[in-house]
Amino acid sequence: ETGVTQTPRHLVMGMTNKKSLKCEQHLGHNAMYWYKQSAKKPLELMFVYSLEERVENNSVPSRFSPECPNSSHLFLHLHTLQPEDSALYLCASSQERGGAPDTQYFGPGTRLTVL
Amino acid sequence: AQSVTQLGSHVSVSEGALVLLRCNYSSSVPPYLFWYVQYPNQGLQLLLKYTTGATLVKGINGFEAEFKKSETSFHLTKPSAHMSDAAEYFCAVRAAGNKLTFGGGTRVLVKP
Repeated sequence: ETGVTQTPRHLVMGMTNKKSLKCEQHLGHNAMYWYKQSAKKPLELMFVYSLEERVENNSVPSRFSPECPNSSHLFLHLHTLQPEDSALYLCASSQERGGAPDTQYFGPGTRLTVL
Repeated sequence: AQSVTQLGSHVSVSEGALVLLRCNYSSSVPPYLFWYVQYPNQGLQLLLKYTTGATLVKGINGFEAEFKKSETSFHLTKPSAHMSDAAEYFCAVRAAGNKLTFGGGTRVLVKP
C-alpha cells in the first residue's frame, strides 16, 4: 500500500447506527487531517492531529469523534448522524517541520450516505 | 483570517485551447498557495504549490501558476487542454499554522 488509504470507500448508515471511518498513511508523516466535502460547499477542515495530539477541532458536532492511536492511523467514529452529514469524508496527511508548511496528501475519501 | 475565491464554478474549454482558472486569496501573513485537482470518485492530488522564491510555479500535467502579490492572485493555466484534464480544481491558501483554506472549486469540462 502506498500513500493515504481510506476504508470503507462507500458507507450507508441509518441515523441510529454507529460506524467508523478508517484512514492509514504510509508516508511516515506526523500530521493527519479529516475534511468534509459536501456538494456545493468548499472543503471543510474538521480535525487536525499533530504528533498524535488533536490540535484543531473546527466546531465539529460531538456526533463526530476522531481518534488517532498512532501517527499512521486516524479514525472518525460516527454516531446518531443526520442526513445533512452525508458527504465525502477525506483524510490527509503531511509532514510538519517547525512551522514550515508541507504538502497535504489526500486519500480517496469515504462517500457517506445517512438515511 | 485567510480566504480563497475561485471565479467561476464551471469552465468549459475546447480540446487544445488555453485553460485559465482564477484564484484570489486574502491572507494576513505571507501565504503559501496550492492548486489541487480532484478526478471523479477520487481524493485531491497536488498539482503545484508556491511557498517562496520564483513566482511562476510549474506543476504536473503541464499546468503552471503565477503568484502575483500585488493582485493577491494565483491563477492556474495550461496552454493546451486535454480530455484528461476534465476534473475539479481547488485553490488553497495556508497561512499561519497547518490549516488549509480551500476555494469553492472549479469544474472543468473539456469539449472535443
